[in-house]
Amino acid sequence: DTAVSQTPKYLVTQMGNDKSIKCEQNLGHDTMYWYKQDSKKFLKIMFSYNNKELIINETVPNRFSPKSPDKAHLNLHINSLELGDSAVYFCASSQAYGGRYEQYFGPGTRLTVT
Amino acid sequence: AQSVTQPDIHITVSEGASLELRCNYSYGATPYLFWYVQSPGQGLQLLLKYFSGDTLVQGIKGFEAEFKRSQSSFNLRKPSVHWSDAAEYFCAVGAVEYGNKLVFGAGTILRVKS
Repeated sequence: DTAVSQTPKYLVTQMGNDKSIKCEQNLGHDTMYWYKQDSKKFLKIMFSYNNKELIINETVPNRFSPKSPDKAHLNLHINSLELGDSAVYFCASSQAYGGRYEQYFGPGTRLTVT
Repeated sequence: AQSVTQPDIHITVSEGASLELRCNYSYGATPYLFWYVQSPGQGLQLLLKYFSGDTLVQGIKGFEAEFKRSQSSFNLRKPSVHWSDAAEYFCAVGAVEYGNKLVFGAGTILRVKS
């Protein structure tokens, strides 16, 4: 069983378009995250949600809007895509309390903006 | 500010040789630490974790890491490297005080020569 899944795995689109990436976890975790991995493989946190509540919102453009319909799902919508948005986006999940904070990552979504 | 440094961008070792990948961190709170491995085109797999207690932790695939608070380090070791260990390795640090977001190092690419 896949613990953290993301769709789609690849996304190729043109500048100015709007796209969404979906993430689901079946680990029973209460916290989910979005990370961005740039072309140099550097990973940086974008957002985190705990039980559908936004906890972390790093300095990310307003064009990026996360949504968490329930604690097992976290989606990322991106408006007006730009060339610089090309990256691999990883979803992750963990527990926020109880001492077991390890994050499990999805397979990633490679976004290419042309 | 929180930061993680992996001083070695690339490391090449012979198959069967021992391995040590370095990780140093700067953090304003009591950290917990992870090592993740990423194969080309894949997601991040958790190798091992340190939260508290015994400073020498064992992980999957024969890896271990030692937490040294006095040196702010969490180096990854393996006594005998296999060709399948070739991948990129990321050290990551988190803390409950910072919302459990992970701060990643820039990664170390491990090459294994036969």
